[in-house]
Amino acid sequence: EPEVTQTPSHQVTQMGQEVILRCVPISNHLYFYWYRQILGQKVEFLVSFYNNEISEKSEIFDDQFSVERPDGSNFTLKIRSTKLEDSAMYFCASSEAEEQFFGPGTRLTVL
Amino acid sequence: AQKVTQAQTEISVVEKEDVTLDCVYETRDTTYYLFWYKQPPSGELVFLIRRNSFDEQNEISGRYSWNFQKSTSSFNFTITASQVVDSAVYFCALGGSQGNLIFGKGTKLSVKP
Repeated sequence: EPEVTQTPSHQVTQMGQEVILRCVPISNHLYFYWYRQILGQKVEFLVSFYNNEISEKSEIFDDQFSVERPDGSNFTLKIRSTKLEDSAMYFCASSEAEEQFFGPGTRLTVL
Repeated sequence: AQKVTQAQTEISVVEKEDVTLDCVYETRDTTYYLFWYKQPPSGELVFLIRRNSFDEQNEISGRYSWNFQKSTSSFNFTITASQVVDSAVYFCALGGSQGNLIFGKGTKLSVKP
């Protein structure tokens, strides 16, 4: 069964460093999303992406964040200068209709 | 504004008990979707069900059942004869016209043997 994959599963970085989180969505899906979940809290929407551009973004998704689909398979989330409060689980999701399929997540720890 | 409220933060039951997880939503969209996801201790999000706003039929899948009531903006989830493996955090989510999902804060279910 096709699934969304994410790498790495865990990333540790120093405050101020740039990180890139990678996702491979399900191959025939056209809509891509990033969500984050701070430990013990709810899952929060960051950004949606369709047709090679951002279709919607939340207040959390400020200028420190960017997304890219560099090739036909990967979908990346870049955080330019990480802060302590960026520590969270980041989930990628993809869909072809209403149902979103989530990847296993990348746990980002900012020290 | 769109919002999902899961008033129960934690529920603890003994195996074989039935348990209902509550979800109340707010939206101005006339077409929307409701979801339940399970997050086991391993952390992934497991899709359980999707319901669209035009379909108020209740659904049963094995030990799981869902009660969607538009009149009260609720989409409650019942597990019958709970098992230890049901222990997880359960999230209710609302999908609007823009496609992104709005999650509730989740209900942590602990099923004790």
